Amino acid sequence: KAGVTQTPRYLIKTRGQQVTLSCSPISGHRSVSWYQQTPGQGLQFLFEYFSETQRNKGNFPGRFSGRQFSNSRSEMNVSTLELGDSALYLCASSPQPGGSETQYFGPGTRLLVL
Amino acid sequence: AQSVSQHNHHVILSEAASLELGCNYSYGGTVNLFWYVQYPGQHLQLLLKYFSGDPLVKGIKGFEAEFIKSKFSFNLRKPSVQWSDTAEYFCAVTPAGSARQLTFGSGTQLTVLP
Repeated sequence: KAGVTQTPRYLIKTRGQQVTLSCSPISGHRSVSWYQQTPGQGLQFLFEYFSETQRNKGNFPGRFSGRQFSNSRSEMNVSTLELGDSALYLCASSPQPGGSETQYFGPGTRLLVL
Repeated sequence: AQSVSQHNHHVILSEAASLELGCNYSYGGTVNLFWYVQYPGQHLQLLLKYFSGDPLVKGIKGFEAEFIKSKFSFNLRKPSVQWSDTAEYFCAVTPAGSARQLTFGSGTQLTVLP
């Protein structure tokens, strides 16, 4: 089975721009979560989607948004980029939320905001 | 809200030494506990997990962890480390049965000297 894939792998943007990151979960997985990893703040939960619905959201400003499609693929969008948004954005999938499910992580998208 | 503390930020060991990485969490209810590992240039991957039952859990590559409920701890152990264990290790917690919001510790960088 192919793992979680994320595109693009690397991205450079300037302040004020917006960016869209994509995540394709493992085949058959319907839950997708997003995390931000930075040296200062570590790994922080952004949001989780299941059946095209956001089930949970972390403590991030409204500039961070996401969505999930009927094939379980997910995108996250960051508008009005700030320098502090530079980070590794990780996507994780699991068969379904809750219960005894393991999250499988993708390689991440490294975003640099100049 | 839950939180996770990993007290060792950087651990340096020689090959064949024993390893114990500390992890303490704060949460008033039942939790699911995880250890993830991030090898240089690779995805975050699951080492082991605890949901219920035997508090001593075994994972991949000879790692094990013990859940001590009274101490809110979930320490990771390995009797004899190898150079290939050099990586960053993350402890994570999620409320049992909830949406898949992992709360991570700040991570411990393990360096094993040959």
